[in-house]
Parts: sequence; structure tokens; C-alpha cells
Amino acid sequence: SAVISQKPSRDICQRGTSLTIQCQVDSQVTMMFWYRQQPGQSLTLIATANQGSEATYESGFVIDKFPISRPNLTFSTLTVSNMSPEDSSIYLCSVRLPEETQYFGPGTRLLVL
Amino acid sequence: KNEVEQSPQNLTAQEGEFITINCSYSVGISALHWLQQHPGGGIVSLFMLSSGKKKHGRLIATINIQEKHSSLHITASHPRDSAVYICAPLRGAQKLVFGQGTRLTINP
Repeated sequence: SAVISQKPSRDICQRGTSLTIQCQVDSQVTMMFWYRQQPGQSLTLIATANQGSEATYESGFVIDKFPISRPNLTFSTLTVSNMSPEDSSIYLCSVRLPEETQYFGPGTRLLVL
Repeated sequence: KNEVEQSPQNLTAQEGEFITINCSYSVGISALHWLQQHPGGGIVSLFMLSSGKKKHGRLIATINIQEKHSSLHITASHPRDSAVYICAPLRGAQKLVFGQGTRLTINP
């Protein structure tokens, strides 16, 4: 199993600023993902965070807006840059272990004013 | 048409009732997850299955790969089962595709 923590758990930010979300896992994992859940919607994959290389972004998401770091196999950050109210969402970190189910962090609730 | 369709979208039942949530998908998959999301936002994976049936306590999940259909059943439902249940097929090795979720409310 895997236990995931995220910081911050929630934040209220001003338009035009940036927020960095941290994700810490209690074991080494290869596959780590960042998701967004907009109000009333299901989850959308932003990117797969690759250790030692650039993240792989899904269609509609770009590195300039959502830069991701993955310095080691237990940690990753997602930055939401130049925020607008449309970025108000829950951001979730998730990992998948080989032959096992997928684990999700508690999420970061972001409100952009 | 969405790649993943869940039904019903909302379900309200009385405590003790047998609950069924259905999921149909159009993509080729290697496995399928059923997720539970509580009002606080936390998500828990209930099942990962690639064939047949799995049971955990009062929860049962089934999948028919040929028909591209999965069901989640809850027996003897309880108010603490109230949550959003999300079907998430795994496309290829990495990508989960998410249904819109079924909001379940169990009244005492």
C-alpha cells in the first residue's frame, strides 16, 4: 500500500499568483500522477510525473501553466501558475503500485479570487 | 458520447436496500477501478478488477470484458455508504478514464 500526503490542504489565492502543491509518498513509486477535479466534475489527468525527466502532459495542459517537478521516487510538486478563477479546483496527487490498485492523496482545495 | 457512462447519476435509497451502480465503457481496457469519494474530497479505490467478480465486505464488483460493462453492488446499505462512486477503466498501462460518478445517498 501507499500513504500520500499533500500540502497545502487548501488555499485561497489571488488572481495572477502561483501556488506550488507538494506530494509526499511513504514508499518509492514509479508511477505518479496529478489530477484536477473542477467543481461538480469528475477527475481529469493533468500529467504523469516522471522521475528524472520532464512530465508527460495530457491534451489541454501545458508545462508553462502547470510545471511539475519529480526529484525522486517519493516526492513531486505541481505548480499552478498565473492563476485565474477557472483554476479553482481540487488538485490530487495519485500513485499506482505494480499489480496493485491506485492510491490518491487527500487533495488540495484551491480557490482563486 | 463519453468513453465511460455511469448510471444512475444520482441514487437515493433507504438503509438496508440493495444498491447497484452500472458502468459501461467504450475503450479497450486492461483493468477497471471502482473509486469512492466522500464529501470531504478524499478518494479511495474500492476495487481493481480485470475479470469476473470481487467481494469486499458488503461490496461486490463485477466486470464483463466482452460486454464492456461493470457493476458495483452494495448489500445492506448504510448511511455511511453515502458518497460518490466513480468507475475508472484503465486504458493501457497508465491512463485512468473516469466516469462522471454516481452520487449515492442512503437515508436512515
